[in-house]
Amino acid sequence: EVQLVQSGAEVKKPGESLKISCKGSGYSFHDYWIGWVRQMPGKGLEWMAIIYPGDSDTRYSPSFQGQVTISADKSISTAYLQWSSLKASDTAMYYCARHVLGYSGSSAGYYMDVWGKGTTVTVSS
Amino acid sequence: SYELSQPPSVSVSPGQTASITCSGHKLVDSYVCWYQQKPGQSPVLVIYQNNNRPSGIPERFSGSSSGNTATLTISGTQTMDEADYYCQAWDRSPEGVFGGGTKLTVL
Repeated sequence: EVQLVQSGAEVKKPGESLKISCKGSGYSFHDYWIGWVRQMPGKGLEWMAIIYPGDSDTRYSPSFQGQVTISADKSISTAYLQWSSLKASDTAMYYCARHVLGYSGSSAGYYMDVWGKGTTVTVSS
Repeated sequence: SYELSQPPSVSVSPGQTASITCSGHKLVDSYVCWYQQKPGQSPVLVIYQNNNRPSGIPERFSGSSSGNTATLTISGTQTMDEADYYCQAWDRSPEGVFGGGTKLTVL
């Protein structure tokens, strides 16, 4: 069974650093892009970034570029999302999701077929 | 980057057809997916590549696209389909963009 297991809930203070994780199993981890999606309390989904564990190629949403860092360790089938200095506005649920490349006519994109259960991050003084 | 617009809410009676639209000026020839999210749960892929259903998703879910608008259609809507639905498309680079989400109420 393909699974993504995320790290547990975090409570941090503004200015602190944080790294959350997402461990894949049941598939060839380094062959699929994997990414992160944010959901702030009571709000919609926001696509943040993806990484290809095979060569660590990354893509970021302009909204999150420079705010977070995505990384992966293919030797342990784990992807990470990292903050160097948290803000209260980073309070949210963060989901990791496997991205599968697909084509439709002349267009290409990814569908997220497997999701983790989410990691709640609370940033409060 | 660009924006995708969805109606905030759609209501439907059980057994009827629900249609949820997603509009964006770059949606022509775009790769569109739809996700269902129930309260307290992770999103679930219900449509990919505009009109394909993953295994395990009921046949009553279908997708279509015309011009700058993509549509998720749920035929014979059931109470279990009550959820938030998000469309998603891809810009260059690639960059994923979600619509704002539509709350489907079945009553």
